[in-house]
Amino acid sequence: NAGVTQTPKFRVLKTGQSMTLLCAQDMNHEYMYWYRQDPGMGLRLIHYSVGEGTTAKGEVPDGYNVSRLKKQNFLLGLESAAPSQTSVYFCASSPTGLADYEQYFGPGTRLTVT
Amino acid sequence: GESVGLHLPTLSVQEGDNSIINCAYSNSASDYFIWYKQESGKGPQFIIDIRSNMDKRQGQRVTVLLNKTVKHLSLQIAATQPGDSAVYFCAENGGAAGNKLTFGGGTRVLVKP
Repeated sequence: NAGVTQTPKFRVLKTGQSMTLLCAQDMNHEYMYWYRQDPGMGLRLIHYSVGEGTTAKGEVPDGYNVSRLKKQNFLLGLESAAPSQTSVYFCASSPTGLADYEQYFGPGTRLTVT
Repeated sequence: GESVGLHLPTLSVQEGDNSIINCAYSNSASDYFIWYKQESGKGPQFIIDIRSNMDKRQGQRVTVLLNKTVKHLSLQIAATQPGDSAVYFCAENGGAAGNKLTFGGGTRVLVKP
């Protein structure tokens, strides 16, 4: 099992450019999540998905869109990147939405917007 | 709004000593808590969890204590090793469905040889 993988690992964008971050999990988990982590801070939830074909907003959804066309993949899109979106992005998955299961995290994508 | 916070941003500890990391939470509806460890350049790794019907849970060299009266969570690491150097986050579930976790700001643990 590879667990949760993320591509790319690093990316530099110019303001206004767009990009998509890919998260994949091979654990057959129902729930998937996208977080951002700014320097010296904890993780903040951007969007999440409770199953294939569904998405929902988290704490900081503005400027991002997501899609879950396949159960194993969760895509995070930035339509028009801004310097404020410079951050490390983490994807996570959990087997169920029951509120007492751990989330499994990917290695992260470091994004810089200039 | 509801939040999870940590008292100490950085903790320096001598190798072999015990470490205690504290966390305060404010959402009284939370009934599940997790401690994660994050090493430099990596994603958070699960360490230990605890449900609100417990006040103590032990793992390998780690113990989590939960005091619901004062909304306080702590992680104790026994015989701290150099490999324990990392940032530690507590997280709470807010008691809601959807397994949405709220993370604290993190405590950096530095182990001195």
